[in-house]
Amino acid sequence: TQLLEQSPQFLSIQEGENLTVYCNSSSVFSSLQWYRQEPGEGPVLLVTVVTGGEVKKLKRLTFQFGDARKDSSLHITAAQPGDTGLYLCAGAMAYTGTASKLTFGTGTRLQVTL
Amino acid sequence: DAGVIQSPRHEVTEMGQEVTLRCKPISGHNSLFWYRQTMMRGLELLIYFNNNVPIDDSGMPEDRFSAKMPNASFSTLKIQPSEPRDSAVYFCAGERDGGTQYFGPGTRLTVL
Repeated sequence: TQLLEQSPQFLSIQEGENLTVYCNSSSVFSSLQWYRQEPGEGPVLLVTVVTGGEVKKLKRLTFQFGDARKDSSLHITAAQPGDTGLYLCAGAMAYTGTASKLTFGTGTRLQVTL
Repeated sequence: DAGVIQSPRHEVTEMGQEVTLRCKPISGHNSLFWYRQTMMRGLELLIYFNNNVPIDDSGMPEDRFSAKMPNASFSTLKIQPSEPRDSAVYFCAGERDGGTQYFGPGTRLTVL
C-alpha cells in the first residue's frame, strides 16, 4: 500500500503568517497533485506537479515536487482566512490507458484567523 | 454545466438496510471514480470505471459493496446490508482522458 503522510495534521495561524505543509512518501509517483477541500464539498484540484524538482506558483501558493518524486511541499505566503480548509496531496500512478489512480495523503487542516 | 451531481446528500439508515448512492458525472467524462472519506482512513478509492466498464475494484471493502455504471451519465454504489462502520462521506469524481478529476459534493452516510 502506498502511503502519503502529511504534516502537520492541523495548523491554526493568524492572517498574514506564512506556512508550509509537507507530503512525504516512500513511493515514486508519476505526478503529484494538491487539492483543497472545504466543508460539505468535494476536493478541488489546485495544481499538478510532474517533474522532479518542479516548482509551481499559484498566487500566494508555491508548490514543489521533490527531486526523487516522492515528496512535495505547499507553501502559503501571507495566509488569509479564505485559505482555510483541508489540504490534500495525492500521488498519481497511471492506469493502463489515460486515467490515473490517485492515492491521497492524510490531510492537513488549516485554519486562518483574523 | 452543473458539475458532478450526487444524491442523496445525506442518508441516515439503520444497520442491515440497503443503501444506494447515485452519481451523475459531467457530460463527456469517460472515467468515473467512487471514493470514501473518513477521519480515520482519509480519502480512499473504492472503484474506477472507464467507458462504463469497471477497471479497478480493488478498493471495494467487501462483498456488501457493489457499483454499477449502466451508461455514461449514471453510476450507483450500493451497500447491502449496511453496517455502522460504513458511515462515511462517499464521493464520486469524473475525468476525461487523463485530465483533472472533478469531485461531486459527496453523500454523507450514517448507519445507526
